[in-house]
Amino acid sequence: GQQLNQSPQSMFIQEGEDVSMNCTSSSIFNTWLWYKQDPGEGPVLLIALYKAGELTSNGRLTAQFGITRKDSFLNISASIPSDVGIYFCAGQLGAQKLVFGQGTRLTINP
Amino acid sequence: GAGVSQSPSNKVTEKGKDVELRCDPISGHTALYWYRQSLGQGLEFLIYFQGNSAPDKSGLPSDRFSAERTGGSVSTLTIQRTQQEDSAVYLCASSLRSGDNSPLHFGNGTRLTVT
Repeated sequence: GQQLNQSPQSMFIQEGEDVSMNCTSSSIFNTWLWYKQDPGEGPVLLIALYKAGELTSNGRLTAQFGITRKDSFLNISASIPSDVGIYFCAGQLGAQKLVFGQGTRLTINP
Repeated sequence: GAGVSQSPSNKVTEKGKDVELRCDPISGHTALYWYRQSLGQGLEFLIYFQGNSAPDKSGLPSDRFSAERTGGSVSTLTIQRTQQEDSAVYLCASSLRSGDNSPLHFGNGTRLTVT
């Protein structure tokens, strides 16, 4: 079945640093999504990408939909303590189910 | 409510008992999804509904798992004869419709513990 490879699995950074994580797939997708999950809560949508090559920003977050439609990255600039959590990428093709990566756990040292 | 609502938020049950998990999607959302998340893991697809029908139930782990949706709204995920490996967070999500350009919005999940 479809699988997403998300990396890194975990990151330990200092407050104020920039963060970069990415997902790759052996299959193409029409939609890439990035979610953040805080403890005890469901994933919350951060950015949605619908077009190959698309670069989208949401505040300090920037994400891109790869030209090959098989990859995406998420950047967070000038990290702050509330950025701590688990970030998931997800891909979708047509009416098929959304496929998730394994997550990147972000820890920030003040 | 404004978001996806799931109940109960926590459920502890004994091995062998049946459990029912409930999901109230966002009003007007026709597609509803169930995912399972084991501790520290990613999200594992279980089943999704478009309206009251389930076009894809390929993720249900065994015949002990079933789900239904009535009135195009509330959905119930039932696990019969629970086993310890069923312990996980069960997440429900809804979207305006299934397919591209319709992102999923998640509830806070039901944490199931089978003792």
